[in-house]
Amino acid sequence: DIQMTQSPSTLSASVGDRVTITCRASHNINTWLAWYQQKPGKVPKLLIYKASNLESGVPSRFSGSGSGTEFTLTISGLQSDDFASYCCQQYNGSFTFGGGTKVEVK
Amino acid sequence: EVQLVESGGGLVQPGGSLRLSCVASGFSSSAYWMAWVRQPPGKGLEYVACIKEDGSEEYYVDSVKGRFTISRDSAKNSMYLQVNSLRTEDTALYYCARFCGGSAPRWYFDLWGRGTLVTVSS
Repeated sequence: DIQMTQSPSTLSASVGDRVTITCRASHNINTWLAWYQQKPGKVPKLLIYKASNLESGVPSRFSGSGSGTEFTLTISGLQSDDFASYCCQQYNGSFTFGGGTKVEVK
Repeated sequence: EVQLVESGGGLVQPGGSLRLSCVASGFSSSAYWMAWVRQPPGKGLEYVACIKEDGSEEYYVDSVKGRFTISRDSAKNSMYLQVNSLRTEDTALYYCARFCGGSAPRWYFDLWGRGTLVTVSS
């Protein structure tokens, strides 16, 4: 089974900051990776698919990069609406999620 | 409105059973692979099971094989998860989710329900 290790688990940031979240896969997953945003009491929202493709309607301050085993989600210019949890999901074979990163107010 | 609505969760004793339901509206769920994903309290998401558009294929995470059964009813635009022999570690919010892409699936989720809570405790 492919394990996904996400870091950090919590990140403190301010509006306007550049934020980077990392996901590492235990095996090569090429670019079969998605990123989601989740807010308390709300459903997960797809942000990025195939490692770097922005889902329709998602602001361009979100970007994804990486391939193989290491991936990053970057928020360039954090907005107040972006304080939330973020998780990655690999889909090379089966499906595994990272443990999540909570972006909180510094 | 395109949405998924889950129901059927509740408090159950270890060893007990429940049947979770997911009703789709605003689209034909029979055109999509669908899945159940769960989230234990304070923890990350975990894929549980998925089912092909026509119900002819189903797959499970190892930890639920032999205990959970996924199914669907196209006439009711619905999907189900029969959960048997429940364990305390099955306690979670169970989400119904749609794989993106319809008959040419891309294996990430573009639509989620709000979830139904299953609590396994004596």
